[in-house]
Order: sequence, then C-alpha cells, then structure tokens
Amino acid sequence: AQSVTQLGSHVSVSEGALVLLRCNYSSSVPPYLFWYVQYPNQGLQLLLKYTTGATLVKGINGFEAEFKKSETSFHLTKPSAHMSDAAEYFCAVTESGGYNKLIFGAGTRLAVHP
Amino acid sequence: DTGVSQDPRHKITKRGQNVTFRCDPISEHNRLYWYRQTLGQGPEFLTYFQNEAQLEKSRLLSDRFSAERPKGSFSTLEIQRTEQGDSAMYLCASSSGQGFGYTFGSGTRLTVV
Repeated sequence: AQSVTQLGSHVSVSEGALVLLRCNYSSSVPPYLFWYVQYPNQGLQLLLKYTTGATLVKGINGFEAEFKKSETSFHLTKPSAHMSDAAEYFCAVTESGGYNKLIFGAGTRLAVHP
Repeated sequence: DTGVSQDPRHKITKRGQNVTFRCDPISEHNRLYWYRQTLGQGPEFLTYFQNEAQLEKSRLLSDRFSAERPKGSFSTLEIQRTEQGDSAMYLCASSSGQGFGYTFGSGTRLTVV
C-alpha cells in the first residue's frame, strides 16, 4: 500500500533562509510524486510534479524538488524564503498504473518570520 | 477554463440533517475525485469517477454518504443523517489523466452542530 510521510508538522524559517520540507514515500511500483500548497480556507494548488525523466523538478514560486529513488524521497526546497510562502504544504504520491488516486501526507505548516 | 467550482463554500447544519454539495469540474476533465480534510490532516480519498462511472469508494465513505456524477459532468456528494464527526472540509478535484495532477476546488466547509 502506498503511504507518504512528511517529517516535521511545523517548520519555521527566517525570511531569506533556505526552505527544506521533507517527504518520504512508499510505493510498490514507480510513483508519480506531487507537492501541493494550501493557503487558509482554500483548496490545494499544484506546486510541482515528478512523473518520468529528469529527477530534479522545478515548480512555481521558485520551489523545486528532487526525486531520489534510492532514498524513496521527494524533498521540497526553495533557496530563499519569502513571507508569502507561509502556508501548508502537502506531498502526495500515486501509482503509475492505477486510477491516479493521490495519497497525501499529513502536511507541513511553514512559518516565515522576519 | 474557470477552474473547479464547489458550492456552497460553507454549510452549517444540525446533527441528523441531510446535506448535499456540488462540484463542477473543469469541462474537459473526465476524472473527478472527492476528498475529505480535517483540521491538521492531509486530504483523505473518498471516491473517484471516470466520466459518469464511480470506480472506487473508500471505506471512509459509510452508507450515509453517496456521490453521483450524472452525464459525466458535475458531481454531487450527499451526507444523510449528519453527525458531528462529519465536520470537515470536503474537497473536489478533477484531472485529465495520469500524471497530470489534480485541479482542486476551494472546498466546502461543513460544520455539524
């Protein structure tokens, strides 16, 4: 069965500092991997995705993530945090041969302080 | 493309009442999903439609829950005899296929009092 683990339910960084949000997955078949962001009282917005090809994926708002099969990880990074990055971030996985059903992690709330 | 629309945005209901939510997906998306999200948790899968066919239902979806997608367009999610434990954000998403990711609506927040 697929599962997603996000290490750290809360992460706090200073404005301008590196953002690193961790995600590990389990999947019995090659996965598709996603990061979503959610602002208060809103739905989820796709940040980036990995399906096939290049393992370093660039997304919106300066975020990127690297798929590391040997570590079963898909960590999200951003070189320099901005106040507007404060939100909840969700990692998700789906199996490449299935109905495209996404399994989400519990989320990481990112706080950015001046 | 106006995105995924959900109606209503907020619903407060008394325990025991029935509620119905509507989702209008992106018109060219044939896949539609319902998720439930409680405070501090990630979205949990409820059910999936491909066109008008409901192909998968989570065991989270008790007999009090029913979802439809007539004609493969909009979808409704009905909860009968609501309980306080049903209080959550109900999210709808649509997709055009594998690997494309979902487009989510803004959700319907249900509060059962």
